[in-house]
Amino acid sequence: QITLKESGPTLVKPTQTLTLTCTFSGFSLSTSGVGVGWIRQPPGKALEWLALIYWNDDKRYSPSLKSRLTITKDTSKNQVVLTMTNMDPVDTATYYCAHTLTLFGGVIGNFDYWGQGTLVTVSS
Amino acid sequence: NFMLTQPHSVSESPGKTVTISCTGSSGSIASNYVQWYQQRPGSAPTTVIYEDNQRPSGVPDRFSGSIDSSSNSASLTISGLKTEDEADYYCQSYDSSNLVVFGGGTKLTVL
Repeated sequence: QITLKESGPTLVKPTQTLTLTCTFSGFSLSTSGVGVGWIRQPPGKALEWLALIYWNDDKRYSPSLKSRLTITKDTSKNQVVLTMTNMDPVDTATYYCAHTLTLFGGVIGNFDYWGQGTLVTVSS
Repeated sequence: NFMLTQPHSVSESPGKTVTISCTGSSGSIASNYVQWYQQRPGSAPTTVIYEDNQRPSGVPDRFSGSIDSSSNSASLTISGLKTEDEADYYCQSYDSSNLVVFGGGTKLTVL
């Protein structure tokens, strides 16, 4: 059974750096084809993909946020960490992590398992 | 930048059929798989269609997906609408650089 859970601060101040941890079970990020992504959703708005890390440490970022994001993995701890610098009130959102499997040719697959999400508010 | 455009909202009566479109801004939407997610208020998204037209186990066959190359669109069709189908629906694919793209979401009202 695959589960994922996000953790981190619920409140950050503008200009601070946000660090979120996704702790998962039921799969290993050292298994070929496995990936974990981060997606966020501002209140009342649409889903926005942020970043993705694969079993081979290949990393992909949203072009609009690439300069602010870093994604890493700790295979031994079954964790993926996302950092986002220079937080702004517009970054207030629920942040989700999700599991995916790559398809043939390295094509991104479906986000088939999601965490419950964690709401991060950016305010002074 | 590759974008996916969805109608902001659709509504239909119980028992009827509704179709939600997802139009690609460039290239061929048929070149990359499309997924559809359902999100109920306060919950994380769940997959209702993956790889254009595949249903995960547990998703009723009232849900179906298709691709129309002529309009560069993907569609999610829900037949025999139930009040429990009322939710937000998001399409998702990826661009030529294998970066994830989500549509803007469609609010389905079943009234």
